[in-house]
Amino acid sequence: ILNVEQSPQSLHVQEGDSTNFTCSFPSSNFYALHWYRWETAKSPEALFVMTLNGDEKKKGRISATLNTKEGYSYLYIKGSQPEDSATYLCAFKGDTSYGKLTFGQGTILTVHP
Amino acid sequence: NAGVTQTPKFQVLKTGQSMTLQCAQDMNHEYMSWYRQDPGMGLRLIHYSVGAGITDQGEVPNGYNVSRSTTEDFPLRLLSAAPSQTSVYFCASSNSGSGYEQYFGPGTRLTVT
Repeated sequence: ILNVEQSPQSLHVQEGDSTNFTCSFPSSNFYALHWYRWETAKSPEALFVMTLNGDEKKKGRISATLNTKEGYSYLYIKGSQPEDSATYLCAFKGDTSYGKLTFGQGTILTVHP
Repeated sequence: NAGVTQTPKFQVLKTGQSMTLQCAQDMNHEYMSWYRQDPGMGLRLIHYSVGAGITDQGEVPNGYNVSRSTTEDFPLRLLSAAPSQTSVYFCASSNSGSGYEQYFGPGTRLTVT
């Protein structure tokens, strides 16, 4: 079983704060690293799919970086808003596992007004 | 496109009963997966399929069966429901062309009493 770890498990910030969380994954047999945003009572939705070492992706106030050699990815949220409150999941895709992904346990972000 | 659809949305079963959770996608995706979501456990893979007629076990397959007779449909069968199978079940589909980005259905909330 692959080990995909996310930290912290939960995070409380004030509106306007910037924040970041970490996903660590195996550094061998890498194919892709995914980030998903999961709001309560909804389904997870993809934020980023990252495949190259050194990749940086950005969508509005959210950005992510990828280091495949050391096996970690950071997700950053600049100027957090209450609507950013959600669980953020990362998922690892190995190069020998066809369409199979392994998810981390998620970071629960709560942004207080 | 409807995307990924799941039925039912909610279900209550008694211990020992069997049932099938339905999943369908209209995006012609080759890969389909079933996950279960439990508090503090993230998303855990139950079974997945890399194409019609081909399925394989994920991380937590015991007590579940799947089949994939068409590209569109991927039903999940609970053989003899147990309280430990109380969970929220998500079906997802993906394609290699988008880095296996997962498109999730709305989920089925199952309670086994």
